[in-house]
Amino acid sequence: GQQVQQSPTSLVLQEGENAELQCNFSTSLNSMQWFYQRPGGSLISVFYNPSGTKQSGRLTSTTVIKERRSSLHISSSQITDSGTYLCAMERNSNNRIFFGDGTQLVVKP
Amino acid sequence: NSKVIQTPRYLVKGQGQKAKMRCIPEKGHPVVFWYQQNKNNEFKFLINFQNQEVLQQIDMTEKRFSAECPSNSPCSLEIQSSEAGDSALYLCASSPTLSNERLFFGHGTKLSVL
Repeated sequence: GQQVQQSPTSLVLQEGENAELQCNFSTSLNSMQWFYQRPGGSLISVFYNPSGTKQSGRLTSTTVIKERRSSLHISSSQITDSGTYLCAMERNSNNRIFFGDGTQLVVKP
Repeated sequence: NSKVIQTPRYLVKGQGQKAKMRCIPEKGHPVVFWYQQNKNNEFKFLINFQNQEVLQQIDMTEKRFSAECPSNSPCSLEIQSSEAGDSALYLCASSPTLSNERLFFGHGTKLSVL
């Protein structure tokens, strides 16, 4: 079964709206990361966030290890935020990283 | 700009042909991962290395791929006999530590098997 589940699968926003992306893990995890991928582009690590809350500009990530979930909040979305957001977890330092299927975000003017 | 360099950017092969792609990890990163990302955005772990040694690989990789990370040369991943289902984006990632605190990805090699 899927170890990392992301929601929503896709999201369409008007510029300026906020976005909330969710990631749930089916097993205990050692660490997790949020990635951003522009169409045709490479993956960019947005947050390495094993636990707690981190903020970078308009992005905020909150991970609750005990509840096996993480969220990515994008405030005041911009057209350039469009792309795919992936979360990934490392489970118990076994050198494998499991990715979710991603959330495809489209921000319209 | 990614510091993990993958070549070629695009690769087109016929079924049964070999398909080879290369990756230069970020300088100082001893850990290298290869992933396959299909058109549905699903990632599949293929293999990883620490320095020149294979740490883990899935069955498919062991049976159908040839992979290495020699010292002072690019890492490589080669499909011995390409199949249509191998069409995907192959992503290489490197990390400074074994605990995968940070993963840095290349732009990928997009393989099309006709």
